[in-house]
Amino acid sequence: DAGVTQSPTHLIKTRGQQVTLRCSPKSGHDTVSWYQQALGQGPQFIFQYYEEEERQRGNFPDRFSGHQFPNYSSELNVNALLLGDSALYLCASSLGLAGTDTQYFGPGTRLTVL
Amino acid sequence: KQEVTQIPAALSVPEGENLVLNCSFTDSAIYNLQWFRQDPGKGLTSLLLIQSSQREQTSGRLNASLDKSSGRSTLYIAASQPGDSATYLCAVIGYSGGGADGLTFGKGTHLIIQP
Repeated sequence: DAGVTQSPTHLIKTRGQQVTLRCSPKSGHDTVSWYQQALGQGPQFIFQYYEEEERQRGNFPDRFSGHQFPNYSSELNVNALLLGDSALYLCASSLGLAGTDTQYFGPGTRLTVL
Repeated sequence: KQEVTQIPAALSVPEGENLVLNCSFTDSAIYNLQWFRQDPGKGLTSLLLIQSSQREQTSGRLNASLDKSSGRSTLYIAASQPGDSATYLCAVIGYSGGGADGLTFGKGTHLIIQP
């Protein structure tokens, strides 16, 4: 049973560029959430996708957008990259929107903005 | 706005000791509380999930308690081992008009178990 997978593992971009990160949820899961973790901090919630729609969103600007596909996989897009966007980006999957299910995390994508 | 605080920020103990990690949250309107483990540069591994109606959960040498009314949770680790060295994160899921929110995390407790 495959867990949550993310690609790529590492990414280096320059300021102003755009980036796309990808996530495949754990088998049987239909909800995907994205988190940003700066060095030495706890992860911060970006947004959550269910049934191909954004359902909840944290305090992140519109430069952060996403998509969920019919197979439940998801993408995170960040436009006009800033130095402060450098972080570990984590994807988590769960079942449904009830908030009672364990969230399972992937290994993350390390984004460095120069 | 929900805020989660973890104390202590760092802890170093000799192997074999029992230890307690603390977590507090400001808004008691939560669905559940999860404890995670994170190794350096890696993703998060779920350790225990406590539903809002539960008081505690146990898995092996780990025991987590939840006192929702006072906004507190503790993670108890028995007979610590060097392999337990990691950062331990506490997180809660609250709810808003649209349903369950995302997880709100503390900054973590960095734990070192000395051989």
